[in-house]
Amino acid sequence: EAGVVQSPRYKIIEKKQPVAFWCNPISGHNTLYWYLQNLGQGPELLIRYENEEAVDDSQLPKDRFSAERLKGVDSTLKIQPAELGDSAVYLCASSLGRGARSPDTQYFGPGTRLTVL
Amino acid sequence: QQQVKQSPQSLIVQKGGISIINCAYENTAFDYFPWYQQFPGKGPALLIAIRPDVSEKKEGRFTISFNKSAKQFSLHIMDSQPGDSATYFCAASSFRSSNTGKLIFGQGTTLQVKP
Repeated sequence: EAGVVQSPRYKIIEKKQPVAFWCNPISGHNTLYWYLQNLGQGPELLIRYENEEAVDDSQLPKDRFSAERLKGVDSTLKIQPAELGDSAVYLCASSLGRGARSPDTQYFGPGTRLTVL
Repeated sequence: QQQVKQSPQSLIVQKGGISIINCAYENTAFDYFPWYQQFPGKGPALLIAIRPDVSEKKEGRFTISFNKSAKQFSLHIMDSQPGDSATYFCAASSFRSSNTGKLIFGQGTTLQVKP
């Protein structure tokens, strides 16, 4: 079974440019997460989707970050414009979702490493 | 109150030794405590997890010890192997709350197992 797929794996851009990351979750997983991982730190949640609904976006910097999950499957995270401080790894994860009878295991993709110059 | 504090930041262990990583939390609403393992260039992968109704859980060479009163939990890796060299993250979440699924991660521990 395929895991969480993310692309691109690496991205280098100039500051003030836009950038987009794509995520394809595990088939059948209703919940999708975007995390930010700074170097030497643990992941921090940016946004969580239940199907196509963003149920927790409290940590998403909405002035420059946006996300969408059309049709409740794939998701895109966008930054416009990018700043130097946005250099990090952007991780996507998925899980079965609400209704799971036990704590919902999150499965992570390999991440997109963003470098803003 | 949402923080999970992890220590040590880095750890070097000889092959065959025991690796111990500790975490502490404040939020008593947390009721799910997973440990994730991350290799360079990869995403974190679930290693083992525990609920607060038990004090210990063992899976192969990996054991979680949980102390509810102290609000602490730890990962023990027995007979550590070079292949265990990775970054380990503890995490916590509240399964029953409206924020189900929001994992709060510790800062990570980089483990190096020397041959």
